[in-house]
Amino acid sequence: KAGVTQTPRYLIKTRGQQVTLSCSPISGHRSVSWYQQTPGQGLQFLFEYFSETQRNKGNFPGRFSGRQFSNSRSEMNVSTLELGDSALYLCASSPLSSGSRNEQFFGPGTRLTVL
Amino acid sequence: AQSVTQPDIHITVSEGASLELRCNYSYGATPYLFWYVQSPGQGLQLLLKYFSGDTLVQGIKGFEAEFKRSQSSFNLRKPSVHWSDAAEYFCAVGVWQNYGGSQGNLIFGKGTKLSVKP
Repeated sequence: KAGVTQTPRYLIKTRGQQVTLSCSPISGHRSVSWYQQTPGQGLQFLFEYFSETQRNKGNFPGRFSGRQFSNSRSEMNVSTLELGDSALYLCASSPLSSGSRNEQFFGPGTRLTVL
Repeated sequence: AQSVTQPDIHITVSEGASLELRCNYSYGATPYLFWYVQSPGQGLQLLLKYFSGDTLVQGIKGFEAEFKRSQSSFNLRKPSVHWSDAAEYFCAVGVWQNYGGSQGNLIFGKGTKLSVKP
């Protein structure tokens, strides 16, 4: 089974621009979560989508948004980029069973650099 | 509030030596606990997980972890470290909210970077 894929792997943007990152979950996984990883703050939860609806949200400003499509693929968008948004953005997918609650499989990430 | 503490930022061990990485958590209910490993420039790979039952869990790559409720700990161990184990290790607790099909989210510790001396 193919793992979680994320595109692009690397992005360079300038302040004020917006960016869209894409994630394809493992086949059969319907829950997709996004995390931000920075040296200072570590790994922080952004949001979770299931059945095209946001089910769970971390403590990030409204500039960070996401969506999920009917095939479970997900995108996240960051508008009005700030220097502090430079980070590795990780997508994770989860199988839907009580026996694997919270179990998340991560993609390789998208490295975003904001200049 | 839920939290995870990994007291050691950086650990260096010799190849072939044993390893223990510490993890303490704060969570009101029965925790779902995980250890992930991250190599440079890579995503996170799940090493092992604890949901319930036997408090000693086995994972991939020869790793094991022991859940101790009385100490709120979930330490990761390996009897003999290989050079390829050099990476950053993250402990996480699962936060689950019973609504709408949510699978919850993970709260991570700050990570422990492992270096291996030849």
